[in-house]
Amino acid sequence: EAQVTQNPRYLITVTGKKLTVTCSQNMNHEYMSWYRQDPGLGLRQIYYSMNVEVTDKGDVPEGYKVSRKEKRNFPLILESPSPNQTSLYFCASSLSPTSGTYNEQFFGPGTRLTVL
Amino acid sequence: QKEVEQNSGPLSVPEGAIASLNCTYSDRGSQSFFWYRQYSGKSPELIMSIYSNGDKEDGRFTAQLNKASQYVSLLIRDSQPSDSATYLCALREGNNRLAFGKGNQVVVIP
Repeated sequence: EAQVTQNPRYLITVTGKKLTVTCSQNMNHEYMSWYRQDPGLGLRQIYYSMNVEVTDKGDVPEGYKVSRKEKRNFPLILESPSPNQTSLYFCASSLSPTSGTYNEQFFGPGTRLTVL
Repeated sequence: QKEVEQNSGPLSVPEGAIASLNCTYSDRGSQSFFWYRQYSGKSPELIMSIYSNGDKEDGRFTAQLNKASQYVSLLIRDSQPSDSATYLCALREGNNRLAFGKGNQVVVIP
């Protein structure tokens, strides 16, 4: 089944304790992205990656890191989480956008993170 | 970031009625527009995309785009309880990035 998977789905942690949220897709997609969703603010992009070893900042990158060492994986790293990073996180992937047309982004199931 | 506005509050419609959602955007150069549906606690899923002025129909959904007035709308005909969800308007920025509106909640009352 073609899908984007995220782990963990739910996480409660404490301020300052480093954590990683994994994202993996089995569709051979070049493009991957991380979003956070907060009430009243909608979905906002954190980081995106056009391909392996190519990443760039989205709209709200502060406090996050990413890496893209393999095509299928795009982990989100919070080196020192803070309570304002409590949110619902979505990973998404799509075919390469370089053709000039929009390729549908497929979203993972989400990770609900609470930082105490 | 390009701004996408969805200002309406929750929309309650009786089953079988038409639900109408509106979205405005700030960048006159935007070319690609999308409607995503998101059930509570679930991930967004694409239900409509529209690139040209006018209407685009897909089943019970119709997307309408008016680039001169900078708005895009979504009509849901014959609304069903399964249509109860939050609907997100989005437009494409460069490099496949999406800018999302905050969403409109639709509640279909049986």
